[in-house]
Amino acid sequence: EPEVTQTPSHQVTQMGQEVILRCVPISNHLYFYWYRQILGQKVEFLVSFYNNEISEKSEIFDDQFSVERPDGSNFTLKIRSTKLEDSAMYFCASSEDRGSYNEQFFGPGTRLTVL
Amino acid sequence: LAKTTQPISMDSYEGQEVNITCSHNNIATNDYITWYQQFPSQGPRFIIQGYKTKVTNEVASLFIPADRKSSTLSLPRVSLSDTAVYYCLVGGANQGGKLIFGQGTELSVKP
Repeated sequence: EPEVTQTPSHQVTQMGQEVILRCVPISNHLYFYWYRQILGQKVEFLVSFYNNEISEKSEIFDDQFSVERPDGSNFTLKIRSTKLEDSAMYFCASSEDRGSYNEQFFGPGTRLTVL
Repeated sequence: LAKTTQPISMDSYEGQEVNITCSHNNIATNDYITWYQQFPSQGPRFIIQGYKTKVTNEVASLFIPADRKSSTLSLPRVSLSDTAVYYCLVGGANQGGKLIFGQGTELSVKP
């Protein structure tokens, strides 16, 4: 069964450093998403991406965040200058079609720890 | 966006049927009801989706009354491995694809 993969599984970084979280969505999917989940809290939408551009972003997704699809398979989330409050699980997801009624397939997540 | 309300936690025993009810009083005409499951330290996983009446798949059943202001996820004969957080989501095409998660229901299945 096809699945979304994410690397690394755990990333530890110092405050102020840049991090890049990587995702490989399911190959025939066209819509890509990033979510985050701070420990003990709910899953929060960050950004959606289609046709090589951002479709929608939340208030959390400020100028410190960026996304990119550098090639035909990878989808990345970059945080330019990490803050302590960026510590969270970051989940990548993909779907065949747009619309929240379309099943989104989530990856296993990257645990980001900012020290 | 339709707000959802579901119990924060539920306890059950192996072999029992578990019903988790979600309220969504201001659901819109074109909204679907979707349930996701999340195990600790894993990403959410789609379980089931419906628009009205009853939907059943190999994992669960979803009951939606005629007014669609609530829905009930039914898990038949739960096992320890069903211990997870279950999220009820309401949305449609006008939501642009993003999923809006609430706090979910933390289901604990005991032996």
